[in-house]
Amino acid sequence: SYVLTQPPSVSVAPGQTARITCGGNNIGSRSVHWYQQKPGQGPVLVVYDDSDRPSGIPERVSGSNSGNTATLTINRVEVGDEADYYCQVWDTRSGSSNSGSYVFGSGTKVTVL
Amino acid sequence: EVQLVESGGGLVKPGGSLRLSCAASGFTFSDYSFSWVRQAPGKGLEWVSSISGTSSYIYYADSVKGRFTISRDNAKNSLCLQMNSLRAEDTAVYYCARERGLDPPWPSTKWGQGTLVTVSS
Repeated sequence: SYVLTQPPSVSVAPGQTARITCGGNNIGSRSVHWYQQKPGQGPVLVVYDDSDRPSGIPERVSGSNSGNTATLTINRVEVGDEADYYCQVWDTRSGSSNSGSYVFGSGTKVTVL
Repeated sequence: EVQLVESGGGLVKPGGSLRLSCAASGFTFSDYSFSWVRQAPGKGLEWVSSISGTSSYIYYADSVKGRFTISRDNAKNSLCLQMNSLRAEDTAVYYCARERGLDPPWPSTKWGQGTLVTVSS
């Protein structure tokens, strides 16, 4: 099965840039989605299809995807960005035209210093 | 306002069954696919199952295949997850998530608040 690898934690000072990576074999050929989850809350979609933002997500949040790494970038980090972030892809299972699964990365805790 | 409200969680013994429900409102339910995603205490997100708008496409994680059944009732704007042969490792908060389109795969654009399932003797 397909595996997504994220760093367990990223620390960043307010106003600086946080970069969260999501590694996977040729992940650049897949659409990657990113979710933010704050304690006690359900996840919120922050980036979909590698780099698109849902309405309400600020422009300082962006995504990119190439080769074996997708990256979520948060510019001008604020205290309110402190959360867990998860990447997600769809994995079409080989040998079956009507089979697949969603795969989540293990999550990255962003701490604002 | 788009709302997803899960219910049905609780404490169940290993080997037991539980049926989760997700009541949807604020949008045309049949236009969207849905997923169940769970999160064990202190752990990350784990996808469980997905169903297309017309129930034509249904997918399960290997960890629940043969034990869990996802279904939907478009007339009642309701999504369900029937969980049988429950194990301790099924203990988690279960989230209902609406996807962006009719047939998977799509990103999940709206999530419920979750319902806790605890499997313990």
